[in-house]
Order: sequence, then C-alpha cells, then structure tokens
Amino acid sequence: IQLTQSPSFLSASVGDRVTITCRASQGISSYLAWYQQKPGKAPKLLIYAASTLQSGVPSRFSGSGSGTEFTLTISSLQPEDFATYYCQQLNSYPRTFGGGTKVEIK
Amino acid sequence: QVQLVQSGAEVKKPGASVKVSCKASGYTFTAYYMHWVRQAPGQGLEWMGWINPNSGGTNYAQKFQGWVTMTRDTSISTAYMELSRLRSDDTAVYYCARMGILVRGFDYWGQGSLVTVSS
Repeated sequence: IQLTQSPSFLSASVGDRVTITCRASQGISSYLAWYQQKPGKAPKLLIYAASTLQSGVPSRFSGSGSGTEFTLTISSLQPEDFATYYCQQLNSYPRTFGGGTKVEIK
Repeated sequence: QVQLVQSGAEVKKPGASVKVSCKASGYTFTAYYMHWVRQAPGQGLEWMGWINPNSGGTNYAQKFQGWVTMTRDTSISTAYMELSRLRSDDTAVYYCARMGILVRGFDYWGQGSLVTVSS
C-alpha cells in the first residue's frame, strides 16, 4: 500500500491552521497513524486509529478520515510544531510510511 | 517509565554485517512486538519488520528477507537487528520502536543508531 502525503513542504506562521493530507493507494479502514519528527530525534506518535490522540499530545492536533483519505490538522501552529510529519498505515504488511511533510516557519 | 536504549554508532565496510541492539525497560518486554525502522540521511522512514519477543517469531519486509535477522534475548529484555552484506545505501539511522497493544501505533522509539557503510 502506497501512502502519498501532500504537500511535501509547507511554510506557515505561528497561529496558522495547518492541514496535511495522506492518501492511501487502497482502503485501509482507520488503520492510520501520524508521527512528528524533529531533526536528530526519533519520531513521536501523535495520532493513531486515524483520529485518536495519543496520551500527552496537545489537543490542537487532530486527525480524521477513513478508507483512503486522511488529514492531520494543527488548529493553531506553535513554535514547537515546526517539524516533519509522517503518516503510516497499519492495515497490512509492509507497514508503509508516507513520504513526509516538512512544516517550516514562514 | 518506558525506555528503549539502542547501541551506539557503527562504521562498517561494504559486505560486512552489523548488529544493533535495543534494550527495553519500564514494561514487560515480552508483551509488545518490537519493530525496526530505518531512515537514510535526509530521507523518509522505511519499515523493516518486527519480532515477537515472546515467541521469537518474525515478519520481515519483503525487501529485507534473506538479508535481515531479528532476534531477542528475553533474559536481558533486549532486541537485536542484524543486517548482512552491507552496501553504501544501507547507511542510515536504525530505530527500534514498540508497537502498542491498545494504542495502534509505534508508541515508544529508541534514540536511533547510526550505521555508516563506507570503504
């Protein structure tokens, strides 16, 4: 299963609402997770089952979708949110990741 | 608290093998599958496979079959990933990551182990 993220890069300001899309090449129900990765660090789980917020993750992060189209939304971008975001499908093997979306400061 | 602590950076020559370790603490090691993910410099994440620490059973991505071996030592709560016949494009950071049970995602990650393959 191929996962296509868009955009691959976005420039935004603190306080902006940001939406990242992940499209699957075939249906994966709600078996999708989102991760945040900062330079030199391991990824961090933000959302699983497409829309469930991982414990400790701020509520400005939200996820939605099912089937083949999913979105990650950051309602009000904070300075610590500038990072690269990846989606991952957990419906079938191999457990593929999207290509990533880098969020940078405008 | 849950921790996954990986072994240090390695430099290997092409054709050699590397074995990366991932020591778990703060939870029951045998209760959670351990996955391995790699990331080449400046690139995205690539899933390699998993090991069931309880049974030792494994599931490798087709790309890595015959080339990667995942093992574990339950007495010291440590998982291992060995990659053989290294090539320069195996240069990457290798991560271990715990698969949650109720949490359907990789909820804890090791800090990463840089493997550099260079002649």
